[in-house]
Amino acid sequence: EVQLVETGGGLIQPGGSRRLSCAASGFIVSSAFMTWVRQAPGRGLEWVATIFADGTTIYTVSVKGRFIISRDSSRNTLDLQMNSLRVEDTAFYYCAKNLWGNYFPEYWGQGSLVTVSS
Amino acid sequence: QSVLTQPPSVSGTPGQRVTISCSGSSSNIGGNTVNWYQQVPGTAPKLVIYNNNQRPSGVPDRFSGSKSGTSASLAISGLQSEDEADYYCGAWDDSLKDPVFGGGTKLTVL
Repeated sequence: EVQLVETGGGLIQPGGSRRLSCAASGFIVSSAFMTWVRQAPGRGLEWVATIFADGTTIYTVSVKGRFIISRDSSRNTLDLQMNSLRVEDTAFYYCAKNLWGNYFPEYWGQGSLVTVSS
Repeated sequence: QSVLTQPPSVSGTPGQRVTISCSGSSSNIGGNTVNWYQQVPGTAPKLVIYNNNQRPSGVPDRFSGSKSGTSASLAISGLQSEDEADYYCGAWDDSLKDPVFGGGTKLTVL
């Protein structure tokens, strides 16, 4: 059974950094397409970043150069390093395992709330 | 402003059939497959339709998807109270070179 559990959310000051981690079970992260999607409170879904099985990464324009998606094979985790955080980055961040060979999520974690505020 | 356009809300009574539309362009829906997600408030999204019209295991056959040209639709027949949720469409956009989501549609079961 596929399970995804995010950790690392919290309150961060503007300009600060935070690392989200997603512990996966039931599959091997490094063999899958993995994605982070965020949702600002009361708003819709926004794709953030994807890492492909070959290690290639893509990012939405608003986080490019500030966020880094990566994976740790030894821990079977997906990570999102968030730097230079802005108030508009405030959102629930969902870790997801994509449909096979697809850009879109099949399985989702429960989400981790990141609040950027002074 | 989302790249994919969905109505903000739809409603129906138990047992009724409702449809939710998702309008795009040749750079997204017109040339790529569409996926649909259900999100009950306070919970994570759940995939209900992928590749335009495929249902994941465990999703009732009351849920169906279709695509024509640059638009797609999600239909829910035999509406039940537990179907009350927000629904999002998603497709790859060839121009943006990004996955994009619709703005979401709130389904209310009256």
